[in-house]
Amino acid sequence: QKEVEQNSGPLSVPEGAIASLNCTYSDRGSQSFFWYRQYSGKSPELIMSIYSNGDKEDGRFTAQLNKASQYVSLLIRDSQPSDSATYLCAVNLGSARQLTFGSGTQLTVLP
Amino acid sequence: NAGVTQTPKFQVLKTGQSMTLQCAQDMNHNSMYWYRQDPGMGLRLIYYSASEGTTDKGEVPNGYNVSRLNKREFSLRLESAAPSQTSVYFCASSELGDPTFSYEQYFGPGTRLTVT
Repeated sequence: QKEVEQNSGPLSVPEGAIASLNCTYSDRGSQSFFWYRQYSGKSPELIMSIYSNGDKEDGRFTAQLNKASQYVSLLIRDSQPSDSATYLCAVNLGSARQLTFGSGTQLTVLP
Repeated sequence: NAGVTQTPKFQVLKTGQSMTLQCAQDMNHNSMYWYRQDPGMGLRLIYYSASEGTTDKGEVPNGYNVSRLNKREFSLRLESAAPSQTSVYFCASSELGDPTFSYEQYFGPGTRLTVT
């Protein structure tokens, strides 16, 4: 069983729509949650971090965390073709200082 | 600020050859990490160094060694390369968290390694 699981994808949305990316994790004691964006052939780029239950907004991006359900999501409002990338969820599982990454969800925003 | 830099960008090795991947960061971070990324597998941690003078194994350490040369530099060595080590290697750095808390990690541009 994977410890950090993401939508298998790929996910396609039309330009201007809301893209919803989901991630579940196995350890209820986890405290640090991150979303990275990775363009093809490039390195992961941090776009959001969230540590407390609830929503955190940054521009068109909103991260949502529900520790009771062991669930973290990323919403991208007014999606643009430039948002087309693979999105990686990362969690520090339990008592580990290091992060465990999901296998990623590929998002395509159609013009 | 260059952030995290890695050398080389590309490398082709023959089976059994050795090489060292270099990583340096200028963000004054305490912690550094080496990952490999394979298609469909996501990022997997090879080794990490929580602070200068310490190193620990990650999920996939076999076939690799690391050296934390100083606070800025963290190198990854393949002593006898195998085709299974064909991958993209990323170095990352972060502030030092505590055992239950992690700070954001920032990644270098990666090294694309092919072992034939």
